[in-house]
Amino acid sequence: KAGVTQTPRYLIKTRGQQVTLSCSPISGHRSVSWYQQTPGQGLQFLFEYFSETQRNKGNFPGRFSGRQFSNSRSEMNVSTLELGDSALYLCASSFGQGAYGYTFGSGTRLTVV
Amino acid sequence: SQKIEQNSEALNIQEGKTATLTCNYTNYSPAYLQWYRQDPGRGPVFLLLIRENEKEKRKERLKVTFDTTLKQSLFHITASQPADSATYLCALPLNTGFQKLVFGTGTRLLVSP
Repeated sequence: KAGVTQTPRYLIKTRGQQVTLSCSPISGHRSVSWYQQTPGQGLQFLFEYFSETQRNKGNFPGRFSGRQFSNSRSEMNVSTLELGDSALYLCASSFGQGAYGYTFGSGTRLTVV
Repeated sequence: SQKIEQNSEALNIQEGKTATLTCNYTNYSPAYLQWYRQDPGRGPVFLLLIRENEKEKRKERLKVTFDTTLKQSLFHITASQPADSATYLCALPLNTGFQKLVFGTGTRLLVSP
């Protein structure tokens, strides 16, 4: 079966711009989580969606937002980009509560210049 | 506060030996613990999940133990191969919600031929 698909794979943006990243989960997975990964901080939880509802949110500023559509596809948006937002953004989908493991996409590498 | 600790120093071993990685946690009472493998520039790949009532779990050359008294999990790779070289992450669900999976910073494993 198809894995988790994230687009785009690479992105270069300028400070102050906004960006939208997309994630298509594995068919049948209704939970989608987003993570930010940087060399210094590791994997940091951003938010998790289930059936179009945000169930949990990490400690990120309000510039980071997301949503989930009725087909379980998810998007995350970062407004007013800062240099520190440069990171690998990972999306993961899971069946149910995640007790069967998460399947990650390959990520979107965002560079803010 | 809740914390997950993995050895930040790389683990170097010879091919054919057993690699043992450690994951310690504090202020958690997780229902389960997961291990992932991550290669550079890629998303983590789910390897194993062990539940709080399981002491040990095996999958091919992998073995995971879970000691809820010591608040520690050990991850073993037997007969290691250079292809096992990667970063290995442990992850736990936060007490406040199973849908928020928190990751350790990972340990890099290098297997030399």
